[in-house]
Amino acid sequence: EVQLVQSGAEVKKPGESLKISCKGSGFSFSSYWIGWVRQMPGKGLEWMGIIYHGDSDIRYSPSFQGQVTISVDKSISTAYLQWNSLKASDTAMYYCARQGELGWYFDLWGRGTLITVSS
Amino acid sequence: EIVLTQSPGTLSLSPGERATLSCRASQSVIGSYLAWYQQKPGQAPRLLIYGASSKAAGIPDRFSGSGSGTDFTLTISRVEPGDFAVYYCQQYGSSPNTFGQGTKLEIK
Repeated sequence: EVQLVQSGAEVKKPGESLKISCKGSGFSFSSYWIGWVRQMPGKGLEWMGIIYHGDSDIRYSPSFQGQVTISVDKSISTAYLQWNSLKASDTAMYYCARQGELGWYFDLWGRGTLITVSS
Repeated sequence: EIVLTQSPGTLSLSPGERATLSCRASQSVIGSYLAWYQQKPGQAPRLLIYGASSKAAGIPDRFSGSGSGTDFTLTISRVEPGDFAVYYCQQYGSSPNTFGQGTKLEIK
């Protein structure tokens, strides 16, 4: 089955670090860009950035540049989203998604990872 | 950065009616690289349309997309009960890619 499987929900305190994952299966992971999208509670979708697994080329939205780190482990078909110091405002659902065949739209989505940051 | 403005914010319709959702860009979308997604509560978004007018796999014929430049439209010819959801447009022609704020399609 073609799918993206994301890691489970997390509850963290402000200032803590975190790395969430997105594992692809059923397709050639290294041939696709994988993106990350944030959805804050009750809000819309925000494009965070995208990584190409073939050569680890990464593009960030200016809104998220320096705030998060996107990476990949090609050997296990897994993309990551990482924070060094979480803030309460990072509380959100985070989706990973696969680029489409003809551009950077997203044709396959993970179910999302809910991150709650609270003291 | 291209800003996408969706209208209306909320659209109230009865099943069987025609839905017209708008997405306006602050500058021309290169290559008409515009996509539409549907999101139901508690679910991930689902791709409906890419390239402004191409339907994704498995999307019913009642969904169609049109437009170019700065003005794009998603049309649902006859709304069915399962179509009530939030719809987002996304431009992927310029970096950073951006999403509109969404249109909620609700039951009247």
